[in-house]
Amino acid sequence: ETGVTQTPRHLVMGMTNKKSLKCEQHLGHNAMYWYKQSAKKPLELMFVYSLEERVENNSVPSRFSPECPNSSHLFLHLHTLQPEDSALYLCASSQVSFAANYGYTFGSGTRLTVV
Amino acid sequence: SQQGEEDPQALSIQEGENATMNCSYKTSINNLQWYRQNSGRGLVHLILIRSNEREKHSGRLRVTLDTSKKSSSLLITASRAADTASYFCATDANSGAGSYQLTFGKGTKLSVIP
Repeated sequence: ETGVTQTPRHLVMGMTNKKSLKCEQHLGHNAMYWYKQSAKKPLELMFVYSLEERVENNSVPSRFSPECPNSSHLFLHLHTLQPEDSALYLCASSQVSFAANYGYTFGSGTRLTVV
Repeated sequence: SQQGEEDPQALSIQEGENATMNCSYKTSINNLQWYRQNSGRGLVHLILIRSNEREKHSGRLRVTLDTSKKSSSLLITASRAADTASYFCATDANSGAGSYQLTFGKGTKLSVIP
């Protein structure tokens, strides 16, 4: 247990379904992130929330919709996904400061399969 | 754009040997970090080295940083079967908006054979 909890661990969904991924951190961090990890590709940063405000959206398709209701929770809402969206989705948190980044704490990820 | 790039892509060694992985990056950085990922799991932060540091140790891990060559290396000494995992370097990019973002490479897959 890293202090960052992701649910569900595995998700299979059809292309017409709507589902949500959940991430919760108990570390008192003030920034949260969504990354996508596909086979043989670098981790792709999707969204960044700092102090509950979205500060980065890396040209992610609108079928992915993030939500950060408070500093401890982060959601990724999914709808009308494509098979190529199948991947491991990783949530991370960190304490942001202008001086340094002390590293991210990752959750165990949600393995998403779109059928 | 991809910042860190690890080399080699895969490495297989015998237990007890040392494992060395390299990382190259393209732009100036504040710090460089190494992470480990067991199959299908989340990444675990191993060590962070700041741009004004040249070498850092943590247990069996030794990290070097050469900012003139924009490269870093991770050395795992006396490897164990439990070290089998993928290892990623990550560099930070200060967006200037009070958030630090890490850019990861594709990783080096290390296999330690008992």
